[in-house]
Amino acid sequence: EAGVVQSPRYKIIEKKQPVAFWCNPISGHNTLYWYLQNLGQGPELLIRYENEEAVDDSQLPKDRFSAERLKGVDSTLKIQPAELGDSAVYLCASSPRRGTNTGELFFGEGSRLTVL
Amino acid sequence: GDSVTQMEGPVTLSEEAFLTINCTYTATGYPSLFWYVQYPGEGLQLLLKATKADDKGSNKGFEATYRKETTSFHLEKGSVQVSDSAVYFCALSESGNTPLVFGKGTRLSVIA
Repeated sequence: EAGVVQSPRYKIIEKKQPVAFWCNPISGHNTLYWYLQNLGQGPELLIRYENEEAVDDSQLPKDRFSAERLKGVDSTLKIQPAELGDSAVYLCASSPRRGTNTGELFFGEGSRLTVL
Repeated sequence: GDSVTQMEGPVTLSEEAFLTINCTYTATGYPSLFWYVQYPGEGLQLLLKATKADDKGSNKGFEATYRKETTSFHLEKGSVQVSDSAVYFCALSESGNTPLVFGKGTRLSVIA
């Protein structure tokens, strides 16, 4: 079974440019998460989806970040415009349907963003 | 809110040494507790978990016991190998419906 797939693995852009990250969760996983991981820190939740509905986006900086999960499968996280402080690893994770899981998340390899 | 505190690294050990990485948590309810590991160049993966007090999670020679009285979930391994070099994250989830809250991670380096 394929795991969580993210792309691109690495992205280098200049500040003020836009950037987008894509995530394909494990088949059948209804819940999808985007986490931010700064260097030397643990992952921090940005947004959580149940199917196509964003149920927790309180930590998403909505002035420049946006996310979508059309059809409740793939998801895209966008930053526009990017700032120097956005340099980090953006992690996507998925988990099975609510009520059937024990809290375990399955993570992709992450997308490392460098803003110059 | 919920939080996880784990010992700061880096931790450097010789092969076959005993490992302990401390983790304590703060939660309003009775969370499930997890240890995730991130090997170089790879994504986070679950190492072990415990869902209620006094449970012991174990995998690949690693163990951790859910201690409600001390709100701790310390990771241990009796004899580390070079291949155990990675970053280890302690995490909690209040329920299956809430996202994981992670500690800052502890980098382990094992030298031959």
